Amino acid sequence: NAGVTQTPKFRILKIGQSMTLQCTQDMNHNYMYWYRQDPGMGLKLIYYSVGAGITDKGEVPNGYNVSRSTTEDFPLRLELAAPSQTSVYFCASTWGANTEAFFGQGTRLTVV
Amino acid sequence: QQQVKQSPQSLIVQKGGIPIINCAYENTAFDYFPWYQQFPGKGPALLIAIRPDVSEKKEGRFTISFNKSAKQFSLHIMDSQPGDSATYFCAASNVGNEKLTFGTGTRLTIIP
Repeated sequence: NAGVTQTPKFRILKIGQSMTLQCTQDMNHNYMYWYRQDPGMGLKLIYYSVGAGITDKGEVPNGYNVSRSTTEDFPLRLELAAPSQTSVYFCASTWGANTEAFFGQGTRLTVV
Repeated sequence: QQQVKQSPQSLIVQKGGIPIINCAYENTAFDYFPWYQQFPGKGPALLIAIRPDVSEKKEGRFTISFNKSAKQFSLHIMDSQPGDSATYFCAASNVGNEKLTFGTGTRLTIIP
């Protein structure tokens, strides 16, 4: 099993550009999450989804959008990229609440 | 509002020593407390988890101690090895709250 797959691994964006970070999981997990990781700040939740067609905001949703049209895929959209969005982004999935979270390898994004 | 406070931010221990990482939480509804281990360039991976019906859980060289009344839990690594050098995150969640809340992380270095 591949687990949670994120693409791309690295990306440099110019201010004002947009992009989509892709995330797919093959474990048939209902719950999926997007986190951003900044040095010394831990993992901050951006958006999450408890099933296809259902999404909700986390701690830091501003500047991002998500969709969940299938159980497997949970893309994160950045519109009008800003330097403050420079970070490492992780997608994760779980079978349900209070169960092991499986993370992707991360996407390192730099906005210049 | 940070619901899980983790300390220290960084820790250097000699090989064979016992590093201890502490976390404190505020939400008394939390009933699942996992620890995640992250190596550079990788996503976090579940190391060990505890539920509040026990005060201690051991898995190999890793032990979680849990103090429900103090709302604190800690990770101890016995006979630490250089390969344990990584960033460690505590986290907390509860059924009915789909979001896994992370601490800010501890960068652990084990020196030979």
